[in-house]
Amino acid sequence: QVQLQQSGPGLVEPSQTLSLTCAISGDSVSSNNAAWNWIRQSPSRGLEWLGRTYYRSEWSSDYAMSLRGRITIKSDTSKNQFSLQLNSVTPDDTAVYYCASGWYFESWGRGTLVTVSS
Amino acid sequence: DIVMTQSPDSLAVSLGERATINCKSSQSVLYNSNNRDSLAWFQQKPGQPPKVLIYWATTRESGVPDRFSGSGSGTDFTLTISSLQAEDVAVYFCQQYYSIPLTFGGGTKVEIK
Repeated sequence: QVQLQQSGPGLVEPSQTLSLTCAISGDSVSSNNAAWNWIRQSPSRGLEWLGRTYYRSEWSSDYAMSLRGRITIKSDTSKNQFSLQLNSVTPDDTAVYYCASGWYFESWGRGTLVTVSS
Repeated sequence: DIVMTQSPDSLAVSLGERATINCKSSQSVLYNSNNRDSLAWFQQKPGQPPKVLIYWATTRESGVPDRFSGSGSGTDFTLTISSLQAEDVAVYFCQQYYSIPLTFGGGTKVEIK
């Protein structure tokens, strides 16, 4: 059973970068049949998939078009984890951020409430 | 983007009675490689992340009680709780994983009548 442990700050100032990390246990970030996702949830947007990274002989990432240009999801094989960076945040990016594994989100992190405010 | 539309928004059902939640996708989510629909159902309780109940529209996740079942195909899908228990009070979401961006329905809140 995959377990995901999220870490990162709960408060980010407007125009700064939101950075979260998701540590994996029970699987390898480089697994050839896995996918590693970031999802957020807010009252205004509901559940919103942000993007994913996965390894199939080389690394690939897919992103929600609405965030393209601001978002990067990367893997760190030495630490068996993956990360989210979201640049130029605004209060509209305030949400609970989750990491989740798999193609249909079989396992989830506990969530991190990120508030964008000065 | 594939839009997922759930109905109803909320539902109150007596203990032991059936609860039915509908989900409609704006286009087919049939994955041709295995002829299965790329549709999942999730349960979310307050303060917790969503938990997958059903995937490939009809396959129950390991450990999920058999009172939960998924049905449907193409663009119309249903989650049924055959005999509602107190612990089933939650918000339920459908989600398609057929194409990017992966999208969720707006959720259906299930309560006890």
